Amino acid sequence: GENVEQHPSTLSVQEGDSAVIKCTYSDSASNYFPWYKQELGKGPQLIIDIRSNVGEKKDQRIAVTLNKTAKHFSLHITETQPEDSAVYFCAASMDYKLSFGAGTTVTVRA
Amino acid sequence: EAGVAQSPRYKIIEKRQSVAFWCNPISGHATLYWYQQILGQGPKLLIQFQNNGVVDDSQLPKDRFSAERLKGVDSTLKIQPAKLEDSAVYLCASSLGRSETQYFGPGTRLLVL
Repeated sequence: GENVEQHPSTLSVQEGDSAVIKCTYSDSASNYFPWYKQELGKGPQLIIDIRSNVGEKKDQRIAVTLNKTAKHFSLHITETQPEDSAVYFCAASMDYKLSFGAGTTVTVRA
Repeated sequence: EAGVAQSPRYKIIEKRQSVAFWCNPISGHATLYWYQQILGQGPKLLIQFQNNGVVDDSQLPKDRFSAERLKGVDSTLKIQPAKLEDSAVYLCASSLGRSETQYFGPGTRLLVL
């Protein structure tokens, strides 16, 4: 099955700085890569996704890049705010089945 | 639009007892998923339904876990008997179709003592 590795496991940034989270996947057949944000006591919430026919996608302060050749994709958050503090999960989908990374705990320091 | 509903939100049981979780997906969503999220890990798919049929249950421990989705809407996940290692958050998600975006409920936090 698909194996997704996510780094770093924790990330502390100063408010206003950028945060970058990186993921790699094992199966070249994976074609859909969503990112979820999970706040304490809540379920994961989709924040952005990208499909394998696109290299980059941006939504306001959030962007995702995909390198199919290297089998890795990244989440970029610019101008971080305290409300960005949460656990972020990447996932890769093969045959409509999501495999998640282990998560990155992001802390934005005021 | 109402999101995915789950109940109960919390459950504490002793090992060897049984427990059931309930999920009501977003209206009109044909595909329903149950995930297990152990503390410090990402969600792991247990079972996927398309309408009221099972699409994938390859990672469901069938000796103790069972799930059903009668009438293609609500779903229940049952554990019988529970083990200590079943302590986790059980997440339900739904999507319009198999290839569509998955929307998650708040989860049920299970503690097995």
